[in-house]
Amino acid sequence: QKEVEQDPGPLSVPEGAIVSLNCTYSNSAFQYFMWYRQYSRKGPELLMYTYSSGNKEDGRFTAQVDKSSKYISLFIRDSQPSDSATYLCAMSPDRGSTLGRLYFGRGTQLTVWP
Amino acid sequence: DGGITQSPKYLFRKEGQNVTLSCEQNLNHDAMYWYRQDPGQGLRLIYYSQIVNDFQKGDIAEGYSVSREKKESFPLTVTSAQKNPTAFYLCASRQGRNTEAFFGQGTRLTVV
Repeated sequence: QKEVEQDPGPLSVPEGAIVSLNCTYSNSAFQYFMWYRQYSRKGPELLMYTYSSGNKEDGRFTAQVDKSSKYISLFIRDSQPSDSATYLCAMSPDRGSTLGRLYFGRGTQLTVWP
Repeated sequence: DGGITQSPKYLFRKEGQNVTLSCEQNLNHDAMYWYRQDPGQGLRLIYYSQIVNDFQKGDIAEGYSVSREKKESFPLTVTSAQKNPTAFYLCASRQGRNTEAFFGQGTRLTVV
């Protein structure tokens, strides 16, 4: 079992839709959670960063962490064609032999059509 | 401007050659990482370093080597032992274990 599971999609939605992207994980030591957006042939760009459980909102983006279910989500409201990209989840433990290491999902490819 | 700079953007390697990819950051970050990205496989960790003069192997370290002689620099050498080096290579850094990580724009390596 991989440390982080993410449905690769592809996911295709109309402009204005609410998009839900999700990752599950198995390591209870994960405490730091990140979402990245990656355009083709570019480096990933940090969208959201959260610590432990709870919600965080930034403009059209909301990140949720449910540690009891080992499940994280990224919601995109009023999606735009410019949101078309691959979205990567990442997480990091706060203890153990792999302290400091980052673990990534495979990424979900999103297309928002006008 | 603070950030992570990877160079070159494109790199071509002949069979049997070693090549070195550069990663420099001026963010004063302690930790640095190298990932390889192949289509459909996500990011795979090659090496990471949490402090100067120390680094750990990731999941696919075979055929690669790194050094961390300076805090701001973490070069990756792709050796001839790496049998399938054609990929997109990404460097990242973070201040510490409880902070977010930032990426460079990547180096696309092609074997010719």
